[in-house]
Amino acid sequence: EAGVTQSPTHLIKTRGQQATLRCSPISGHTSVYWYQQALGLGLQFLLWYDEGEERNRGNFPPRFSGRQFPNYSSELNVNALELEDSALYLCASSYRQAGVYGYTFGSGTRLTVV
Amino acid sequence: KQEVTQIPAALSVPEGENLVLNCSFTDSAIYNLQWFRQDPGKGLTSLLLIQSSQREQTSGRLNASLDKSSGRSTLYIAASQPGDSATYLCAVFPSGTYKYIFGTGTRLKVLA
Repeated sequence: EAGVTQSPTHLIKTRGQQATLRCSPISGHTSVYWYQQALGLGLQFLLWYDEGEERNRGNFPPRFSGRQFPNYSSELNVNALELEDSALYLCASSYRQAGVYGYTFGSGTRLTVV
Repeated sequence: KQEVTQIPAALSVPEGENLVLNCSFTDSAIYNLQWFRQDPGKGLTSLLLIQSSQREQTSGRLNASLDKSSGRSTLYIAASQPGDSATYLCAVFPSGTYKYIFGTGTRLKVLA
């Protein structure tokens, strides 16, 4: 069974540009969660998608957005990039009842803003 | 508000030692607790998932216990190896919510 797949592995962008990060969940999982992990900091919750809908978002500005497609894959978009957006972005997938089955994480996308 | 604390923040041990990592949480109303491992710059790998009704889970050299009433979990690693060097994170899924709350992790280094 394929795990959670994230692409690209690394992404280098210039301040002010837009970045698009992608996540493919494990087959059968309908929920996708996005987290940001800045260097030396803990995991900060960004967004939760389930069944194609945004269900909740963390304390991030609106320039962080995304969507979930009918095949449950997801895309995270970061507009008007700032230097402090440089971080490891992690995607996790789960069944709807994450409280029962837990998260499975991908290997992350390292975003560097210069 | 649920808070998750992991002590110690960093730990360095010689190869072969048995060791215990600690995780404490402030609200005992949880669905489950999950332990993860993170290698530098990489994603998180799930190690063990303990449901709220369970007391412990085991996988190979790893054993995780859960004491909901006291708000504590421990991850026991037997016969540590240099390959165990990583950051270990615990996360709790509070009842009535939609996401895990993560601790800040314990950075483990096992010396050969």
